[in-house]
Amino acid sequence: AQSVTQLGSHVSVSEGALVLLRCNYSSSVPPYLFWYVQYPNQGLQLLLKYTSAATLVKGINGFEAEFKKSETSFHLTKPSAHMSDAAEYFCAYDNYGQNFVFGPGTRLSVLP
Amino acid sequence: NAGVTQTPKFQVLKTGQSMTLQCAQDMNHNSMYWYRQDPGMGLRLIYYSASEGTTDKGEVPNGYNVSRLNKREFSLRLESAAPSQTSVYFCASSEGGAVEAFFGQGTRLTVV
Repeated sequence: AQSVTQLGSHVSVSEGALVLLRCNYSSSVPPYLFWYVQYPNQGLQLLLKYTSAATLVKGINGFEAEFKKSETSFHLTKPSAHMSDAAEYFCAYDNYGQNFVFGPGTRLSVLP
Repeated sequence: NAGVTQTPKFQVLKTGQSMTLQCAQDMNHNSMYWYRQDPGMGLRLIYYSASEGTTDKGEVPNGYNVSRLNKREFSLRLESAAPSQTSVYFCASSEGGAVEAFFGQGTRLTVV
């Protein structure tokens, strides 16, 4: 079955530390992948997307993600965490242009 | 620049009551979606509409109906609310294809 998985429902990092949020997709998933961020009591906002162009994708707020077909991964990284990055992050894929399928989400906490 | 607007933002229903969640987008998008968000489960697709006049079931359609009233509006109806429908509901829209979705702010529904 097509799916995306996110390892770790909750990740904590110290302010200034590297942020790494993991996303793996099943090999049958179409190669259109997204990362969304959700701040408390808000809707989802697009961070970045991969659409078969460059494998390293840069997004907003200093985030980037690398599409690795050999590892079926699309991990999200940020070199230095900021307190304002505390939020929930969702990996998703486009389901052949019909709709979007989301992973379960990872809650990021940033410790002072 | 409103984007996707959902009403109401909060609602408490008694078991068996009915209600309609409203969603409107001003981006001239063809596709619209209804998702529900529950802790640890990410976003699950209830219904979607690829174009005006068409609707399709998603992953969790039972207990819900939808209407694509026109290109702008896509409503979600609960005919007889159940406690299991307590959730946060998000409406989204997109141009379709490998293009990101834009989300509303959500409706927090509690069924008692």
